Amino acid sequence: GENVEQHPSTLSVQEGDSAVIKCTYSDSASNYFPWYKQELGKGPQLIIDIRSNVGEKKDQRIAVTLNKTAKHFSLHITETQPEDSAVYFCACSGGYQKVTFGTGTKLQVIP
Amino acid sequence: DAMVIQNPRYQVTQFGKPVTLSCSQTLNHNVMYWYQQKSSQAPKLLFHYYDKDFNNEADTPDNFQSRRPNTSFCFLDIRSPGLGDAAMYLCATSFGQGPTEAFFGQGTRLTVV
Repeated sequence: GENVEQHPSTLSVQEGDSAVIKCTYSDSASNYFPWYKQELGKGPQLIIDIRSNVGEKKDQRIAVTLNKTAKHFSLHITETQPEDSAVYFCACSGGYQKVTFGTGTKLQVIP
Repeated sequence: DAMVIQNPRYQVTQFGKPVTLSCSQTLNHNVMYWYQQKSSQAPKLLFHYYDKDFNNEADTPDNFQSRRPNTSFCFLDIRSPGLGDAAMYLCATSFGQGPTEAFFGQGTRLTVV
């Protein structure tokens, strides 16, 4: 089955700095790569996703890059704000409904 | 405005006593999922429904069952909860045939005493 590794497990940045979270996956058939943000006591919420026919996608302060050859994808958050503090999960999926999550990154933005 | 609603938010059950968690959705999505999330871990898929078709994950214990009586509702039944089943249980929905955004509920935190 799919194996998704996510790094780092924790990340502290100063407000206004950038944060980068990286994931690698094993199944070359995976073609959908979402990123979820989970705040304490809440369910995960999609913040951005990318499909395998695209190398990069940006939405305001958030961007995702995908390298299918190397089987890795990354989340970039620029100009971080305290409300960005949360746990972030990468995930990937092939042509089915099953989504495999990474192990999560706890991001702390220090005011 | 809630789209995926889980009840209750917190559930305490006794060791070995059957418990049911519920999920409802107003999105009319055809796929519904149940995930188990233990502290500081990623959500782990237990099973999902694609319309009425039930899809169980190979490593989901037999202790966990699910029912989907209609499009809007889905239930998670734990027949004999053990201490190791204490976790956050997340319901999610998505629409369509291929992988796409999943909408999660707030979760039910289950405590086993």
